[in-house]
Parts: sequence; structure tokens; C-alpha cells
Amino acid sequence: GQNIDQPTEMTATEGAIVQINCTYQTSGFNGLFWYQQHAGEAPTFLSYNVLDGLEEKGRFSSFLSRSKGYSYLLLKELQMKDSASYLCAVRVNTNAGKSTFGDGTTLTVKP
Amino acid sequence: DAGVTQSPTHLIKTRGQQVTLRCSPKSGHDTVSWYQQALGQGPQFIFQYYEEEERQRGNFPDRFSGHQFPNYSSELNVNALLLGDSALYLCASSQGTVTYEQYFGPGTRLTVT
Repeated sequence: GQNIDQPTEMTATEGAIVQINCTYQTSGFNGLFWYQQHAGEAPTFLSYNVLDGLEEKGRFSSFLSRSKGYSYLLLKELQMKDSASYLCAVRVNTNAGKSTFGDGTTLTVKP
Repeated sequence: DAGVTQSPTHLIKTRGQQVTLRCSPKSGHDTVSWYQQALGQGPQFIFQYYEEEERQRGNFPDRFSGHQFPNYSSELNVNALLLGDSALYLCASSQGTVTYEQYFGPGTRLTVT
């Protein structure tokens, strides 16, 4: 079966750094996605990791360790607009569409 | 460049009824995937259409069916609606099936009473 775990909620302060963790146990692995989803809106793509290591993209970075079944999303210089749900998803085969999602981490950024 | 569009935005149906949701993919995309997202949960993969055929399917009953048209747009049909079918239905499009980039539409909020 597929199992993806993320913390349900996190709170951080504007301007700070926050790390959102994701652990996974899936039958097959062809990459890990992070999406941002504001309430009532569609998920938007943030990052994709297929090899171990850190991928940096502006204020957002994503890390992957395939041997540990672990990833994290690092958000720097937090802004109020970063308050959203962050979804971790594993691509279980070469088909991007058939991804298994975690239930998301709701991040609240406070002033 | 139009992104992924879905219609309707919101829908209220009664148990036992049937519903059809529609999706137009992003320009240049030929593959459409459908997801169901219950409140407080992550999206669950329903199925994917490419070249007018269902290519992949998640763990959803046969009450959930779909179609893809020659212009790549797609429909999701749900028969014999249950209360548990209440959710946000998301459509995502991509260029081909072997790609990591997919773009989500705004979703259709279905409420079954």
C-alpha cells in the first residue's frame, strides 16, 4: 500500500524559516512533488525531486533522501501569503498523473 | 494562454442522482487526470485519460467513469451519488503521461445531500 505522512498543522512567524517534513512508504518511487494549496484553490506546483539532495528555488527549497523515504520543504523569509496547505506527493511510476498525495500540512504564518 | 478550466464551479446534488463534471486542459496539453479531494485530505487519483482512452485508474468504483474528447477536454461522470462523494474534484493536465509537470484546474465543489 501507499503511506505518506506529514504533520497536520504548523505555525511560524513572518520572516522566519520553517521546515515541513514528509515521510513515505510506497510501492514504487519515481519522484516526489511538493504543492502549495490555498484554501478553496487548486494545488500549484512548487518542486520535484527525483535524486537525493537539496533543490533550491528562491525562498523555497526541497530535500530528498530516497534511502530514508524522507523529504522536507524549507520555506525562508516567510510571508503572510505563505499561509496555505503544503502537499507532499509521490510519483509511483513514470506516469505523473498517478501520484499519491499526503493529507497536507496547514501552515499558518503569524505577524 | 488559458490554464486548466473546469465547470461548474459548484454543484449540489441529491443522493442517487448522477453528475457530470467538465475539464478543458491547458493549451498544448493532451492528458487529463482527475482527482477527488475530501475536506482536510490530499487529492486521491481517480483516473487518467490520454488519446481518448483511460490509461490509469485509482481505487474508485465503477460508478466513476470518464471520457476524453478529440479536443482533449474531458468529463467525469459519477452515478448513484452517495453522501461520501461530496468533495472537491480536481482536474490536472499534462503533455503526455511521462512527464512530471501537471497543472491543476480550480476544481468543482460537489455537495451531495
